[in-house]
Amino acid sequence: GAVVSQHPSRVICKSGTSVKIECRSLDFQATTMFWYRQFPKKSLMLMATSNEGSKATYEQGVEKDKFLINHASLTLSTLTVTSAHPEDSSFYICSAKGAANQPQHFGDGTRLSIL
Amino acid sequence: AQSVTQLGSHVSVSEGALVLLRCNYSSSVPPYLFWYVQYPNQGLQLLLKYTSAATLVKGINGFEAEFKKSETSFHLTKPSAHMSDAAEYFCAVSNFGNEKLTFGTGTRLTIIP
Repeated sequence: GAVVSQHPSRVICKSGTSVKIECRSLDFQATTMFWYRQFPKKSLMLMATSNEGSKATYEQGVEKDKFLINHASLTLSTLTVTSAHPEDSSFYICSAKGAANQPQHFGDGTRLSIL
Repeated sequence: AQSVTQLGSHVSVSEGALVLLRCNYSSSVPPYLFWYVQYPNQGLQLLLKYTSAATLVKGINGFEAEFKKSETSFHLTKPSAHMSDAAEYFCAVSNFGNEKLTFGTGTRLTIIP
């Protein structure tokens, strides 16, 4: 089945640093990738949608300069949390889908902790 | 606009008993409906999906769900619960031409030995 790899699984860093999270589709070409944020015991909140080779589309209320998304190839998207602060601590999950009407396949998430 | 309501943020059933997790949706166009399962500190795994074919959908791990348009429901069931079914379950909706998923708030399933 479709496999999506997300790295790192956990990261702890100091306030003010930038953190990059990678999302890779291992056995299919992902025309579209999604980035979600999940607060403790809450549902997933879509942050942005990215299509290969074009700028990401951010959801309302998500700071595009804070959360930089790059989708440079059909198998890789990255999310960079710039100048991270403790309030950015969360569980970030990516997903990827191939052809139209195919389901999204999710990575295992990244637990980000900002001290 | 689309939305999903999951009734019951926490459901407990005994091992071997029927599992029923409720999901109601709202959509102005024919919906695509999904159930995902999330284990602690992991991403989401697709259990099953409905995309306008058969209304009774069978998924992995013995789960199934029935699309009922008249009730705007897509409840998830499993005849006999296993301890390994303990997890968080999310219902989600999208539609043809709209790739975005709108998730419900999730239901935590606990299995009592």
